[in-house]
Amino acid sequence: GDSVTQMEGPVTLSEEAFLTINCTYTATGYPSLFWYVQYPGEGLQLLLKATKADDKGSNKGFEATYRKETTSFHLEKGSVQVSDSAVYFCALSDPVGSNDYKLSFGAGTTVTVRA
Amino acid sequence: DARVTQTPRHKVTEMGQEVTMRCQPILGHNTVFWYRQTMMQGLELLAYFRNRAPLDDSGMPKDRFSAEMPDATLATLKIQPSEPRDSAVYFCASGLVGGLGNSPLHFGNGTRLTVT
Repeated sequence: GDSVTQMEGPVTLSEEAFLTINCTYTATGYPSLFWYVQYPGEGLQLLLKATKADDKGSNKGFEATYRKETTSFHLEKGSVQVSDSAVYFCALSDPVGSNDYKLSFGAGTTVTVRA
Repeated sequence: DARVTQTPRHKVTEMGQEVTMRCQPILGHNTVFWYRQTMMQGLELLAYFRNRAPLDDSGMPKDRFSAEMPDATLATLKIQPSEPRDSAVYFCASGLVGGLGNSPLHFGNGTRLTVT
């Protein structure tokens, strides 16, 4: 079945450092790909998404590019802030227009940014 | 700002007791999901509904768990009897599926369940 594998954490960085969280997927067809973020005590929030190959999702300084050839969707941010400390989840779902919409999540990567 | 509302936020109960968790999806969303989050298993899909009809509950232990949508504004997840291994955070999420694209899923803040 469809699945997502993401980089294990925890990841600890200093403010203004570069962040990369690796995510690869296994799927039949062309899934939609997502990054969700979870702040302490809260539910998951959509951070960004991409629905087809070579699409780049971006939001709040974060970016991820849908790479079909490497089945990857790595999350990057050039300069992190303390407020970026959270758990980040990579996820996939069936393609846009599909009548199904189950999200499969990776295990999550805990990121801590120190001042 | 529309949001998914879950109650209660925290629940502590003794083994063997019934637990009911409630979710109010965002108005107009036609799909509702229940997820369970634990340190060991991460996020697991328990069940989901489309237009109030259950589409998939294969992730749910059938002998003790049940999920329903009595109406479009309420989804419930019940555990009877509860066991310590059910301790987790349970999330409800809703979205609009269909047409040219699906809306992003919106998650509630979860119910943290502790079974002693």
